[in-house]
Amino acid sequence: DGGITQSPKYLFRKEGQNVTLSCEQNLNHDAMYWYRQDPGQGLRLIYYSQIVNDFQKGDIAEGYSVSREKKESFPLTVTSAQKNPTAFYLCASSMGGGPYEQYFGPGTRLTVT
Amino acid sequence: KQEVTQIPAALSVPEGENLVLNCSFTDSAIYNLQWFRQDPGKGLTSLLLIQSSQREQTSGRLNASLDKSSGRSTLYIAASQPGDSATYLCAVRPVGGFKTIFGAGTRLFVKA
Repeated sequence: DGGITQSPKYLFRKEGQNVTLSCEQNLNHDAMYWYRQDPGQGLRLIYYSQIVNDFQKGDIAEGYSVSREKKESFPLTVTSAQKNPTAFYLCASSMGGGPYEQYFGPGTRLTVT
Repeated sequence: KQEVTQIPAALSVPEGENLVLNCSFTDSAIYNLQWFRQDPGKGLTSLLLIQSSQREQTSGRLNASLDKSSGRSTLYIAASQPGDSATYLCAVRPVGGFKTIFGAGTRLFVKA
């Protein structure tokens, strides 16, 4: 089955700790994305990657970091510098930019206390 | 700056009713518009993708239209069922970039 997997589904952390969210896809897509979703708001783009070893900041990149060492993997690290990290995080991929359809993973709910 | 608005924010209808969800966007320079469904606590499921050169797409009981010149799209759901209860999001991909701009969604509840 082709698709996007995210792990874990739920993640709990104490304030001040860094945490890494996993995103893997077997769709052979070049582009991958990380979004944050807060209640009552649309998705906001954190980072995106057009190709391996390349990534760009989205609209709300502060306090987050990513890497893209393999085509199928795009992990997101939420650092202690992120002021309000509690949210639902969604990973997506597409064949590329432009007119291509986006596909989403099941999401990770991060709670920081 | 591209903005996407969805109206209404929430909608409750009896089972069997035909309904229309609205999406508007401010800049007509888009590659495509995509409608998604999101169940509580889940990821987004793509329902329909309309390329900028297309006027509509259909899948089963769903029909989505696109009017680029007026910056509007509608998602028509025929003969609604309780299983259609979810949040529906629309999103546009502006020309020239990798970013996709999402609306805040319409939360739909279909009563049995």
